[in-house]
Amino acid sequence: NAGVMQNPRHLVRRRGQEARLRCSPMKGHSHVYWYRQLPEEGLKFMVYLQKENIIDESGMPKERFSAEFPKEGPSILRIQQVVRGDSAAYFCASSPRVGLTGELFFGEGSRLTVL
Amino acid sequence: AQSVSQHNHHVILSEAASLELGCNYSYGGTVNLFWYVQYPGQHLQLLLKYFSGDPLVKGIKGFEAEFIKSKFSFNLRKPSVQWSDTAEYFCAVNGYGGGSQGNLIFGKGTKLSVKP
Repeated sequence: NAGVMQNPRHLVRRRGQEARLRCSPMKGHSHVYWYRQLPEEGLKFMVYLQKENIIDESGMPKERFSAEFPKEGPSILRIQQVVRGDSAAYFCASSPRVGLTGELFFGEGSRLTVL
Repeated sequence: AQSVSQHNHHVILSEAASLELGCNYSYGGTVNLFWYVQYPGQHLQLLLKYFSGDPLVKGIKGFEAEFIKSKFSFNLRKPSVQWSDTAEYFCAVNGYGGGSQGNLIFGKGTKLSVKP
């Protein structure tokens, strides 16, 4: 679904560096979700945001990970002091509003490799 | 808490064979159910979805799924697979009520390999 734009598509970081992943939702969508996909693990929910608000961050690791969705601009998933275990594909999805259909529209993902 | 179980990790079929991928969920309230497909190197795309009404749902590319409420199941089927169906398939549930925020909960996925 080309409507949800994620960048960068591929990101390589060394241990201890910071990674920033960006997501622009589909036009007209105000809800953003971040998922992480590890090999053999499927997709794990991380965080759900609306503009300027974190609605549900129950899937976010307690340390080093943060997310925001400012009034202007894309949503950003930030990983500080990356470790090898952070290597994964990070998918962003958007929806127009909760409870309408439940369907999420996914971006093409950002693949993070930590050396 | 909601959870989704997909029974098969990897399924290998020959072209023209029939396909059924199992999916069970645990959630006692109202649910919306989805099957997504991820072709190699691509993002997730919606195959089909169930919200209400006819429990037999037809999706794109000849796929269908049947919601059986008593079994908490939403199995995916296709009568005759093609090589181009090689992909990973994810079942997902979106439950309402009980504190759910509406985010999708995914199963671990089933890899389908179709031999030409």
